[in-house]
Amino acid sequence: AQKVTQAQTEISVVEKEDVTLDCVYETRDTTYYLFWYKQPPSGELVFLIRRNSFDEQNEISGRYSWNFQKSTSSFNFTITASQVVDSAVYFCALSEAMNTGFQKLVFGTGTRLLVSP
Amino acid sequence: DAGVTQSPTHLIKTRGQQVTLRCSPKSGHDTVSWYQQALGQGPQFIFQYYEEEERQRGNFPDRFSGHQFPNYSSELNVNALLLGDSALYLCASSYWTSHGGYEQYFGPGTRLTVT
Repeated sequence: AQKVTQAQTEISVVEKEDVTLDCVYETRDTTYYLFWYKQPPSGELVFLIRRNSFDEQNEISGRYSWNFQKSTSSFNFTITASQVVDSAVYFCALSEAMNTGFQKLVFGTGTRLLVSP
Repeated sequence: DAGVTQSPTHLIKTRGQQVTLRCSPKSGHDTVSWYQQALGQGPQFIFQYYEEEERQRGNFPDRFSGHQFPNYSSELNVNALLLGDSALYLCASSYWTSHGGYEQYFGPGTRLTVT
């Protein structure tokens, strides 16, 4: 069965600090996708990134970067120079790839990030 | 380009009642998935609709049912409401691709409170 573990329940940082959110996943599939979503207090899940299991290249998007390591089944998310607007709950998710096109996301329990001024 | 929309925003129901939640997918998306998010938890998959048919279902009882219309919009129905059904219900839309991988875009959710 697929499983996503986000061991950090809550992280508090001061603005401009760097912060890394950990994500460890379990799957028996050789082809799968990993995601990060941001959920601000409004409740809407905001898509941040998708990575497939064949692409271990790290990605950087502005202040955001992602480190995917299949050897440790981890897909960690780093925010550089954090800002108050980064305060939210962040979810890591996993899905299997099926030729039917069906995709079910399995989410972790989320990490609440609090960035104080 | 409108994103995924859901209605209503909030809803309060009494135990035993029935509720219908609605979702309009993002333009160009033909697949709708529903998730339940209890307080402090990650979203849990309920089911997914494509071409007006339920394709897959998560571990939810038959009290949870759905429908997809020809314009791809969808409804989630919950019968015989229980206190434990109180949650944020999220709709996600996506489009089918042959390689099976695509982003799911989520709506703002409907907050259901059962008293």
